[in-house]
Amino acid sequence: GAVVSQHPSRVICKSGTSVKIECRSLDFQATTMFWYRQFPKQSLMLMATSNEGSKATYEQGVEKDKFLINHASLTLSTLTVTSAHPEDSSFYICSARGQGRKSTDTQYFGPGTRLTVL
Amino acid sequence: QQQVKQSPQSLIVQKGGISIINCAYENTAFDYFPWYQQFPGKGPALLIAIRPDVSEKKEGRFTISFNKSAKQFSLHIMDSQPGDSATYFCAALTSGGYQKVTFGTGTKLQVIP
Repeated sequence: GAVVSQHPSRVICKSGTSVKIECRSLDFQATTMFWYRQFPKQSLMLMATSNEGSKATYEQGVEKDKFLINHASLTLSTLTVTSAHPEDSSFYICSARGQGRKSTDTQYFGPGTRLTVL
Repeated sequence: QQQVKQSPQSLIVQKGGISIINCAYENTAFDYFPWYQQFPGKGPALLIAIRPDVSEKKEGRFTISFNKSAKQFSLHIMDSQPGDSATYFCAALTSGGYQKVTFGTGTKLQVIP
């Protein structure tokens, strides 16, 4: 299957700081990338959808000024959690939908980033 | 109408047995139904997927059964192994467009020796 990477895999930060998470599609061009948040023992909650070169579309209840998403190229999307607080601690997962030889109906998920805000 | 209902919430199966997870959806616009497997601390991995024009798809020990009229689909894991112990999510989406995935609530499977 296609490979999607995330960096960092784990981050611990102090309250009030900003954290950037990178999501890369390694072997295909991702026309659309998605960002999810997952709480323990729960399903994935879609936060936003981003298309390369355009503004992200945020789901209802997700603060766009707090969770900044940039999809600058067909292989990279970033999620920046600004002024992080303990309640932002969660598992953040990206996924990418490909084009070309990769199925455009299949989303490939990254390994996730565990964010802990102290 | 966007929900995908998944059951059971948890499942314990003996090694070698059959694990069965069920999902039901409402939105008839859904036309692609993937199943994902997630291990603790990892992202979901695509396991198998089906379109509503077929009633069954098999890949190795994993089979999806699809009932379009009932708007239900299920995952069967044959000869379940301890290594299959994970959380399984069914999902549904409409192909094309932005493809927002609607996930089920997840089933935690434990396969005991």
